[in-house]
Amino acid sequence: DAGVIQSPRHEVTEMGQEVTLRCKPISGHNSLFWYRQTMMRGLELLIYFNNNVPIDDSGMPEDRFSAKMPNASFSTLKIQPSEPRDSAVYFCASSPLRGPEAFFGQGTRLTVV
Amino acid sequence: AQSVTQPDIHITVSEGASLELRCNYSYGATPYLFWYVQSPGQGLQLLLKYFSGDTLVQGIKGFEAEFKRSQSSFNLRKPSVHWSDAAEYFCAVRNNAGNMLTFGGGTRLMVKP
Repeated sequence: DAGVIQSPRHEVTEMGQEVTLRCKPISGHNSLFWYRQTMMRGLELLIYFNNNVPIDDSGMPEDRFSAKMPNASFSTLKIQPSEPRDSAVYFCASSPLRGPEAFFGQGTRLTVV
Repeated sequence: AQSVTQPDIHITVSEGASLELRCNYSYGATPYLFWYVQSPGQGLQLLLKYFSGDTLVQGIKGFEAEFKRSQSSFNLRKPSVHWSDAAEYFCAVRNNAGNMLTFGGGTRLMVKP
């Protein structure tokens, strides 16, 4: 298995632009997580899905952030409009339903200038 | 709500010395517990996990961890550290009912030659 695949690996964008991060979970995994990692705040859970349904999005910072999982093999995290404070590494992880262990992608390093 | 505390932000040990990284969790029942390692610029790799049974669990790269229910702890240990172990280590707890996966703040390990 190729593992969790995230794209792009690096993204540099200007403030105000829309950014879309993509994730392909491991085949057969029913849970998907989006995390944000910064020096100041560490690893923050933004949202997670079970069977393509968002279960808890309380970690999504504000309405500029949205996440979708249209099918079992694809998820997106969108930021519109982006701001410099959104600069971070965004990780996607997947696991079998109720896990227990989750497997992480390599992350997308987002820089908003 | 579940939470994880890693009291040590940075630890420096000499190569060949023993290592113990501390982790305390808060959760009403017996959770699933994990240790992940992150090398610079990389994603998170699972080192080991505890679900139930034997409270001393073995992981990859010579690491082990011990679950102590009375202390709500899951400390990571290694008898002899190698320079390649320098990385950031994260303890995580998973709600075995609701699927949440929560991370501690991480401990950055540096290894002196």
